Amino acid sequence: GAGVSQTPSNKVTEKGKYVELRCDPISGHTALYWYRQSLGQGPEFLIYFQGTGAADDSGLPNDRFFAVRPEGSVSTLKIQRTERGDSAVYLCASSLARNTEAFFGQGTRLTVV
Amino acid sequence: AQRVTQPEKLLSVFKGAPVELKCNYSYSGSPELFWYVQYSRQRLQLLLRHISRESIKGFTADLNKGETSFHLKKPFAQEEDSAMYYCALSGTGTASKLTFGTGTRLQVTL
Repeated sequence: GAGVSQTPSNKVTEKGKYVELRCDPISGHTALYWYRQSLGQGPEFLIYFQGTGAADDSGLPNDRFFAVRPEGSVSTLKIQRTERGDSAVYLCASSLARNTEAFFGQGTRLTVV
Repeated sequence: AQRVTQPEKLLSVFKGAPVELKCNYSYSGSPELFWYVQYSRQRLQLLLRHISRESIKGFTADLNKGETSFHLKKPFAQEEDSAMYYCALSGTGTASKLTFGTGTRLQVTL
């Protein structure tokens, strides 16, 4: 079976624009996580979904960032009014349950110019 | 606040030499510790977690609560071990909400 899939793999956008990043988790995985990895850093937690609800969004940096998972499967990370500092690799991970191994996607590289 | 420190950005060793990738953490409670690995052009994947007490690909890591360390070791490095290694921590019961270190690139040369 396929692993966690993220689209697009690369996204270049202009400062001030809106972007959406998509994550398809492994089928049957109820937990879904978004992380952001800036150059030279480790991944940084953004938000965690258990089913359809955001169980922990403490890592979202500000209100320009929002994520949804309406049917408990695919998730979309939305960034409004992008800034150059938002440039990073955005990683999605899913796990069977909250306390089990997380499997990562290949990431979306976002570049804001 | 929880924090993971990996003091070395790059560790270069010869094939067959021992490897030790350092990881120190701070956490007020009982953490779970992990090592993740990212090979060239591949996605981040779990290498091992301390509660499993396993040896994966010849790597082991022991949690030392007194020194708050979780160093990754391998007695004899192989070329295929060259990769980026991240130490990570989670609080009890939240194994997937991870705090990562900045990573160490292991370079194994002939």
